[in-house]
Parts: sequence; C-alpha cells; structure tokens
Amino acid sequence: EVQLVESGGGLAQPGGSLRLSCAASGFSFSKYNMNWVRQAPGRGLEWVSSISSGSSHIYYADSVKGRFAVSRDNANNSLFLQMNSLRAEDTAIYYCARELDTPMVTHDGFDIWGQGTLVTVSS
Amino acid sequence: SYELTQPPSVTVSPGQTASITCSGNNLGNKHVFWYQQRPGQSPVLVMYQDKKRPSGIPERFSGSNSGNTATLTISGTQTVDEAEYYCQAWDRSAYAFGTGTKVTVL
Repeated sequence: EVQLVESGGGLAQPGGSLRLSCAASGFSFSKYNMNWVRQAPGRGLEWVSSISSGSSHIYYADSVKGRFAVSRDNANNSLFLQMNSLRAEDTAIYYCARELDTPMVTHDGFDIWGQGTLVTVSS
Repeated sequence: SYELTQPPSVTVSPGQTASITCSGNNLGNKHVFWYQQRPGQSPVLVMYQDKKRPSGIPERFSGSNSGNTATLTISGTQTVDEAEYYCQAWDRSAYAFGTGTKVTVL
C-alpha cells in the first residue's frame, strides 16, 4: 500500500524548534518530488516547501524562508522538515505530500497525502 | 506571491451541477490542480493538469482552464461530494492554493 506517515509534531515554545519526519512506503520514494503543506485550525491549505527527487531543487514559501529547512533521505525513504524560530502562526497540521511523476511536467499535483501531524506553538 | 481566489461557498441540490471557480492572473497559462477535503480528513487530488482525473475519481468531476479562470464542475452532484475544494497552481518558484470553496449539497 502506498503510504505517507508523518511524525514529530507536538508543542513547542515561540522561538523553539521541531523536526518533522515523513516515512514513505509502497512506492519508489527516490523517484518523486515531495512537499510539505500545512493547515492552521479552521483555515485553508498553505504550501510550505518542495524538494525534488534528488534534492537538487528546493523551494520555500515566503512565510517560512530562512526558518524552515526541508531535506530527504532516499536510502531510508524519509522526508524531513526542520522548523526553527517557531511562531504562533506556525501552529497547524503539517502534511507531507507526494507530487505526481509526470513526463515533461515539472510541477504537478499532489496525489498522495499523509494523515498529518499537529504542531502547536505556544508558551 | 501568487493569489488564487475562490468563492467561499457553493450550494447545489442533489443531482444538479456544481461549478467552482478559481481566479488568478493569467491562470490559463498554468496547470491547475484541484483537491477535495472532507472534515477531519487529508486532501484528495480530484483533478490535475486542468482537466485530467486521477484514477478512482468519478467521471462526474471535470475541469477547465482559460484566461484568468479555472473551473471544477461536478455533474450530478451527490451528497458524498459535500466537502471543501481547493485549487492550486505553480507560479515563480512556489505553489499557491486557492482560498477554498465549501460545497453544500441540499
């Protein structure tokens, strides 16, 4: 079964750090671009970061640039999000999502999503 | 950053057609993706590259994209289609999501 499972969420203080993980299974992880998307309570979806299959291309939303860092370990089928200098507005469910692998298309839709992990930033 | 605007809500009777719009500058020149999100669940891709349905998505879902507006159409809407819908596009090194549309079937 194709699956993404996030972990690492929890309570963090403003200015603190958290590291999220996403374990992939059931597909060739190293072939796919991966993404992080978040959703604040009662709010819409917000894209956070994207990393290409070989980690050569990395992108961030302006709201997290300079504070968050995405990485991946293809040998262990894992995606990570290091979150530093956390703010109250970073409180959200964080989803990892797989990008479609479509020939001749650089940025495509997200066909597989994890169940999400909740990050709460509060003192 | 690129902005995608959707109507906050759409109400449709069972069996009728629901149309959800997504507006953005020159959106017709980009690929648009659509997601369905039911309460308490993760999003599900229902349309990609404007008008392609992933496997498992019913034929009653269709998409179009031209000018500044993309549209997701649900024909013969069923009660199971009641959910929040988001559009998405890639612009200048970032993905943008639309503001979301709550589809109510009653």
